[in-house]
Amino acid sequence: DTAVSQTPKYLVTQMGNDKSIKCEQNLGHDTMYWYKQDSKKFLKIMFSYNNKELIINETVPNRFSPKSPDKAHLNLHINSLELGDSAVYFCASSQGGLGNQPQHFGDGTRLSIL
Amino acid sequence: GDSVTQMEGPVTLSEEAFLTINCTYTATGYPSLFWYVQYPGEGLQLLLKATKADDKGSNKGFEATYRKETTSFHLEKGSVQVSDSAVYFCALSDQGSGGGADGLTFGKGTHLIIQP
Repeated sequence: DTAVSQTPKYLVTQMGNDKSIKCEQNLGHDTMYWYKQDSKKFLKIMFSYNNKELIINETVPNRFSPKSPDKAHLNLHINSLELGDSAVYFCASSQGGLGNQPQHFGDGTRLSIL
Repeated sequence: GDSVTQMEGPVTLSEEAFLTINCTYTATGYPSLFWYVQYPGEGLQLLLKATKADDKGSNKGFEATYRKETTSFHLEKGSVQVSDSAVYFCALSDQGSGGGADGLTFGKGTHLIIQP
């Protein structure tokens, strides 16, 4: 069974559209994250959720909004897509808020804006 | 703020060569350190970790030692294989600045290519 799964794997859409990426983890973790990986492979944290509360929001445009219906899910909604949003988006999860536990990553969603 | 600096590739080695990928960090708190590996088309997989000074993380023949005095966490392997070809990321989680929920701070990644 996949520990962290995200869908879709590929997403191709036009500028101005609204899209969502779903993420689910079956590890029983209490913290989930979204990362953006740009074309140069650089990874940057976007959001994290701990016990259904948003902990951080790193200088991300408000067109991006995380939604967590329960502890096992953290979905990413993106409104009014722009060319610069093209990237690979990774979902991850971990247990505890001390930072000494590793994060488990999904396989990524490659978003391409036409 | 926190940052991670690692050597940028690509790094090209022959099979059975010795590997070192340098990683240094700056952090406001007392971080945990990680190496992740990303194979083509896949997500990141934890390779090894260390949570306190002088800890050595090891896995699949890879090793890295948490050196607080030099703020480093260099990755080493004695004899690389073609299957080790991937992108390697050094990362930290700074417990002193909000804890793990702040997410990981990554280096820019090192692309490793092992030739037969």
